[in-house]
Amino acid sequence: EEQLVESGGGLVQPGGSLRLSCAASGFSVRNYWMHWVRQAPGKGLVWVSRINREGSSTTYADSVKGRFTISRDNAKNTLYLQMNSLRAEDTAVYFCAREIHPGGVDAFDIWGQGTVVTVSS
Amino acid sequence: DIQMTQSPASLSASVGDRVTITCRASQSITTYLNWYQEKPGKVPKLLIFGASSLQSGVPSRFSGSGSGTDFTLTISSLQPEDFATYYCQQTYSTMWTFGQGTKVEIK
Repeated sequence: EEQLVESGGGLVQPGGSLRLSCAASGFSVRNYWMHWVRQAPGKGLVWVSRINREGSSTTYADSVKGRFTISRDNAKNTLYLQMNSLRAEDTAVYFCAREIHPGGVDAFDIWGQGTVVTVSS
Repeated sequence: DIQMTQSPASLSASVGDRVTITCRASQSITTYLNWYQEKPGKVPKLLIFGASSLQSGVPSRFSGSGSGTDFTLTISSLQPEDFATYYCQQTYSTMWTFGQGTKVEIK
């Protein structure tokens, strides 16, 4: 079964850092662009970042640019999100997701179950 | 950023009703528009990609239409398992964005 499992969430003080991991099983991440998406409590989905297959190209939402870094280790079949200078508004469930290209367009087909990040003093 | 605006934010409907959700983009995204369904405690599920193509395994009562800036998701006959929150998503720009969601509730 193709699966993504996030880890690394927790409670952190404002200004602190966390590193999230997303481990893939049942498929090789090296064949896919990968993303992070977050969802604040009771709110909607917000796209955060994406990385290409090789890890050489990354894109970020304006709200996290300069603070978050997406990376990957294809040998370990794992995606990462380094989050620095965390703010209360970064509190959310963070999902990793796999990008596919059905019919020449882009979409997510597999999501992890999410890891909870809480930024609070 | 391309802003995606969904309407309504929520709606109440009965089993068997025809339901239509609208999504508007702040600029043309051609047909780079997807629809997802999210249920409580579950991860989002891809329903429609490319504005109108049904994802494998999704019931045919779901359909999508539109291009440019205006899109719709239609559920032809609402079933009990369809009560959920629906999100549109644009993948036209390098920074993808979601609509704010439409919650479909039982009347």
